[in-house]
Amino acid sequence: QVQLVQSGAEVKKPGASVKVSCKASGYTFTGYYMHWVRQAPGQGLEWMGRINPNSGDTNYAQKFQGRVTLTRDTSISTAYMDLSRLRSDDTAVYFCARDGHGYNCDYWGQGTLVSVSS
Amino acid sequence: QSALTQPPSVSGSPGQSVTISCTGTSSDVGSYNRVSWYQQPPGTAPKLMIYEVSNRPSGVPDRFSGSKSGNTASLTISGLQAEDEADYYCSSYTISSTWVFGGGTKLTVL
Repeated sequence: QVQLVQSGAEVKKPGASVKVSCKASGYTFTGYYMHWVRQAPGQGLEWMGRINPNSGDTNYAQKFQGRVTLTRDTSISTAYMDLSRLRSDDTAVYFCARDGHGYNCDYWGQGTLVSVSS
Repeated sequence: QSALTQPPSVSGSPGQSVTISCTGTSSDVGSYNRVSWYQQPPGTAPKLMIYEVSNRPSGVPDRFSGSKSGNTASLTISGLQAEDEADYYCSSYTISSTWVFGGGTKLTVL
């Protein structure tokens, strides 16, 4: 069965960086794009970007251009989301989600809480 | 890219039908049949309910249906059940090769 297992919660100070991992299993990792979506406390979903695990090609939301970097390690079927220059309003749950070939997210990770506070 | 517009809340009694709208622009909803809908109960990850405007993944009840007209997509839930109470989000692919979500709609089953 398809599973996406994310790394644990993080606490960071403003200006720092955070790297969240997403380990995939139950399917061919390089065969499906991976999205990253975040959700601030009490707020809606916000799309951050997408990576093609096969080629490494990425698309980013304009809002996060220059601050977010999506990478992958195909040898361990893991995708990564790196967010730099953290601010307090980056406090959110960060999700990875598999693209199900229909321009949608058919499987989601459990989410990783990133808290940014001085 | 601005978020798609959804009503903040809708409600209905068990057995009734409700419809949630999702309004975008000609740069997203109006350009492609690549609208998805997600259900998110509190404290959980979203679940895909509808993809490509009107298609249901395996396991999603046929009480859930989707449609689109112009720049507005809609999710209809018929035969409301208590377990349907959750937040619902629409999403669309855009002409910039990005995705955009709606602001979310809280469904209350009375």
